Amino acid sequence: DAGITQSPRHKVTETGTPVTLRCHQTENHRYMYWYRQDPGHGLRLIHYSYGVKDTDKGEVSDGYSVSRSKTEDFLLTLESATSSQTSVYFCATLAREANSPLHFGNGTRLTVT
Amino acid sequence: AQTVTQSQPEMSVQEAETVTLSCTYDTSESDYYLFWYKQPPSRQMILVIRQEAYKQQNATENRFSVNFQKAAKSFSLKISDSQLGDAAMYFCAYLGTNAGKSTFGDGTTLTVKP
Repeated sequence: DAGITQSPRHKVTETGTPVTLRCHQTENHRYMYWYRQDPGHGLRLIHYSYGVKDTDKGEVSDGYSVSRSKTEDFLLTLESATSSQTSVYFCATLAREANSPLHFGNGTRLTVT
Repeated sequence: AQTVTQSQPEMSVQEAETVTLSCTYDTSESDYYLFWYKQPPSRQMILVIRQEAYKQQNATENRFSVNFQKAAKSFSLKISDSQLGDAAMYFCAYLGTNAGKSTFGDGTTLTVKP
């Protein structure tokens, strides 16, 4: 959707290791988002970006950092993964023309053992 | 902070019948956008329908329509002539004029019975 690629699609890692998830878009959308999806919680916003090097925290940002050095790439880093960060992570973009919707990647399933 | 509430964790409907999924939200903004997304077992997030708060007319997309009540902060989704392919998790979502203010409900799992 909207040329959004998330990598990797699946990852298993051990507690305490650093993990970086990548989101790449080809639509030149201004806004990019990282969400996590857990059973019973819908999608919760971790961080978002409103331009290159411009980012802000969402409701569940503790333990996560992000970077956006180029319009097309938005990286999510878990500095030291914990089991509570086992989740499905979605990247989304937004063009911000009137009425434009969020476009989503296909998600990354992360398991922290 | 904005909140979005979907009070029906699960719903079921008979094939060809109509079902309504409820969504309420809370915001202090006067201008914003509301969306319904569908998530089938494939995990893909698919846009179903969108509504601008400044438009009084309810949005429709083929068999999908919304009942947007701005004063009541209600945004329900009606699915007519339900099909087996409609079975999925449905999420109601809010997007404020500050594009960072995006909030999703916890979802409603819709089962379609043949």
